[in-house]
This record gives sequence, structure tokens and C-alpha cells, in this order.
Amino acid sequence: AQKVTQAQTEISVVEKEDVTLDCVYETRDTTYYLFWYKQPPSGELVFLIRRNSFDEQNEISGRYSWNFQKSTSSFNFTITASQVVDSAVYFCALSSNSGYALNFGKGTSLLVTP
Amino acid sequence: GAVVSQHPSWVICKSGTSVKIECRSLDFQATTMFWYRQFPKQSLMLMATSNEGSKATYEQGVEKDKFLINHASLTLSTLTVTSAHPEDSSFYICSASEASGSYEQFFGPGTRLTVL
Repeated sequence: AQKVTQAQTEISVVEKEDVTLDCVYETRDTTYYLFWYKQPPSGELVFLIRRNSFDEQNEISGRYSWNFQKSTSSFNFTITASQVVDSAVYFCALSSNSGYALNFGKGTSLLVTP
Repeated sequence: GAVVSQHPSWVICKSGTSVKIECRSLDFQATTMFWYRQFPKQSLMLMATSNEGSKATYEQGVEKDKFLINHASLTLSTLTVTSAHPEDSSFYICSASEASGSYEQFFGPGTRLTVL
């Protein structure tokens, strides 16, 4: 069975602070995909990243970066110099294969205050 | 990127009525579509997997006679909530997987259902 754990329910930071959202996963599959999505108050999911299990390279996209470590089954997400617009709920998710249903974590609500 | 639409974006209905939600892949063909449900301040939970031309596969605990899913074409899946009750009020999100290529999944914008 697959499981995604986002232990941080809510995080509050002041603008310009760096913040890391944790994601730990469990799976018996050798091939799997990990995702991060942002869900602003409007509700629409915004895709941030997809990473397959064979690609452990860390990724940086602007202020966003991701640290994938198979040894600890973690796929953490860091926002550098946070902004108010980053306030949202962030979900980490796991799927057995590309195109398969996603198993979501419970989400981390991030509040960035001015 | 590929676009998935949902209609309506929100709906309010009376208890006991049925509501149909459409999920369309606008610029690609989707052999598989997924329906998720999200209660307030909770995560997304998979309800069912819908494959074009065949019966949907429902997750444990989801009543297939209450949540009717029809995937009649490669670009359209519908979810009908029959005899809706206030506890069915939720945010319903569909996603569609491409029929070829990367099989990447794309999410619709969601439909907020409120049952009075």
C-alpha cells in the first residue's frame, strides 16, 4: 500500500523567510512518481513538479526547490524568500506509474504574512 | 499544457435531487479519467477510476449506485450524484490521463457542490 505523510499541518512564516515543506512516502513499487501541487483558495490544483523514482537529482525552479532522497523516502519542497502569494495549501502526492491515480498527503497549509 | 475543464464550477441543489458534473479533456484524448472528492480542509480522496467504454472502478466505501460515472468518449466523463444529501456537499475534482505519450495526468478546476 502507498502512503504519503505531510507531518506539518500548518506553517506560518513572515515574508522573505525560507520555508521547507516535508513529505515522506511509503511504497513497495520500484517505479513510482512523486508530485507537488499548490492549491490556492480558489481550489484549483496547480501542478508544481513531477519526479520519477529513478531521477534523484534535485530540482530548482526560481524560488522553488525540491530535495528527493530515496534513502529516507522523502521529497521535500523549499520556498526561498517566501511571498504572500505563496500562501496556499500544498499537497505532496505519489502514484505507481505515470497516468495512474494519485495518492495525496493531507496537505500543508502555508501562510505567509507581510 | 493540456487542459481539462469541469462544468459546472459550482452548483447548489436541494436534498434528494441529482446533479451531473462533466469533465472534459479539451485538447487531448483521455483513456482514463479519475474522480476525486475533497471535503473542507481535507485532502483529495480518489473516488473512482473511469476508463472509456467500460465500467468505472470504485474505491472502497464509495457507493457506485449513488455516484454514477459514465465515460462515453475519449474526451468526456460525467459524474452524477444521485439523490444528493447535505453530506455529499464537497469539492469534486476530475483528472484525465493522456491516451498516448507520457500518460501524464491533468486536473480539472473542480466543482463545488452544496446540497441544501
